[in-house]
Amino acid sequence: KAGVTQTPRYLIKTRGQQVTLSCSPISGHRSVSWYQQTPGQGLQFLFEYFSETQRNKGNFPGRFSGRQFSNSRSEMNVSTLELGDSALYLCASSLSRSSGSGELFFGEGSRLTVL
Amino acid sequence: QKEVEQNSGPLSVPEGAIASLNCTYSDRGSQSFFWYRQYSGKSPELIMSIYSNGDKEDGRFTAQLNKASQYVSLLIRDSQPSDSATYLCAVTLPEGYNKLIFGAGTRLAVHP
Repeated sequence: KAGVTQTPRYLIKTRGQQVTLSCSPISGHRSVSWYQQTPGQGLQFLFEYFSETQRNKGNFPGRFSGRQFSNSRSEMNVSTLELGDSALYLCASSLSRSSGSGELFFGEGSRLTVL
Repeated sequence: QKEVEQNSGPLSVPEGAIASLNCTYSDRGSQSFFWYRQYSGKSPELIMSIYSNGDKEDGRFTAQLNKASQYVSLLIRDSQPSDSATYLCAVTLPEGYNKLIFGAGTRLAVHP
């Protein structure tokens, strides 16, 4: 069974640009969550999608957005990039009942560097 | 106050010993508790989940939960060098779903 696939794996952007990251969950998983990991802040929750609906959101500015498609694939977008957005962005999928389980399967991440 | 606290380590143990990792959380309404392992340069992987007070064993791993003390621990018996990694404690908040609050992680080093 294929795992969670994230693309691109690495990318470099400059301040003010925008970026779109993609995530394909494990087949059959309907929940997709996004996390940001930095050395200073650790792993922080961005948002979660379930059946194309955002059902939870973390404490990030509105520049961070996401969506989920009918095939459960998800994208996240960061607009007007800042230096502090440099991080590893992790996508996680879950075979989640409507209430969620917390048992997440992470992709390998997209490492974003903002110059 | 951080919502999930862990000692950052490194925790150094000899091969074959028991490694004990601890975690405290601040929200008494937290429902579910997890331990994820993250090797350097890799993504986190779930190794244990625990939902009720007491112990839960899986192979060499034992998770312990004490909701009254707001305390979660992970014991690794017969530690191996391959166990060297960062161990992340995570909890779900009362609203549930898959929003996990992670601790900063404890780095474990198992030396031969």
